[in-house]
Amino acid sequence: QLQLQESGPGLVKPSETLSLTCTISGGSISISSHFWGWIRQPPGKGLEWIGDIYYAGSTTYNPSLKSRVTISVDRPKNQFSLKLSSVTAADTAVYYCARLGPGRGGSFDIWGQGTMVTVSS
Amino acid sequence: QSVLTQPPSVSGAPGQRVTISCTGSYSNIVAGYDVHWYQQYPGTAPKLLIYGNTNRPSGVPDRFSGSKSGTSASLAISGLQAEDEADYYCQSYDNSLSGSSVFGTGTKVTVL
Repeated sequence: QLQLQESGPGLVKPSETLSLTCTISGGSISISSHFWGWIRQPPGKGLEWIGDIYYAGSTTYNPSLKSRVTISVDRPKNQFSLKLSSVTAADTAVYYCARLGPGRGGSFDIWGQGTMVTVSS
Repeated sequence: QSVLTQPPSVSGAPGQRVTISCTGSYSNIVAGYDVHWYQQYPGTAPKLLIYGNTNRPSGVPDRFSGSKSGTSASLAISGLQAEDEADYYCQSYDNSLSGSSVFGTGTKVTVL
């Protein structure tokens, strides 16, 4: 059974870079039909798509975050990662990784449990 | 900056039927892209409830049903139960700019 698990620091200082990793178990990241995405949810607010990546490396980002976001894939480790630069308090949120598909018009069918990231000095 | 609009809240008594709308535009729902629905309890990750407008993943009760027409999609919950009290989000694909996944604004369902 495919499972996803987020990991990374729970506290990041303003202006620094938030870095998270999603580890996939029970399946391969190198699946042709699906993409791998990041979604976040600020406290008490709704879901916001951050971006997604194909196992071969192609990416799509939320236009509102594009200048600060990098998503990458590490196929040997069966992981994909998120970097968000120049963070502010507005980036405080629960960050989820999820599988998207089939195709970019598909659904997020498998989710990680989420990890809370707080931006504070 | 959600491009899919949902009512902030809906409520109903146990056993009743409630519906949640998800209104989009020419670059997402009207363009023919599928709509998917998620259920989220406080402090937990969202769970896929409906995919491809009308399909239920294995294990989702048939009390939940989805539909899509024109500029909007809808999620219906029949025979409302206390355990259905949760937040619900729609999601689709938007082909504006470079293309992206988009979520609805979210709806809180309250069981009276």
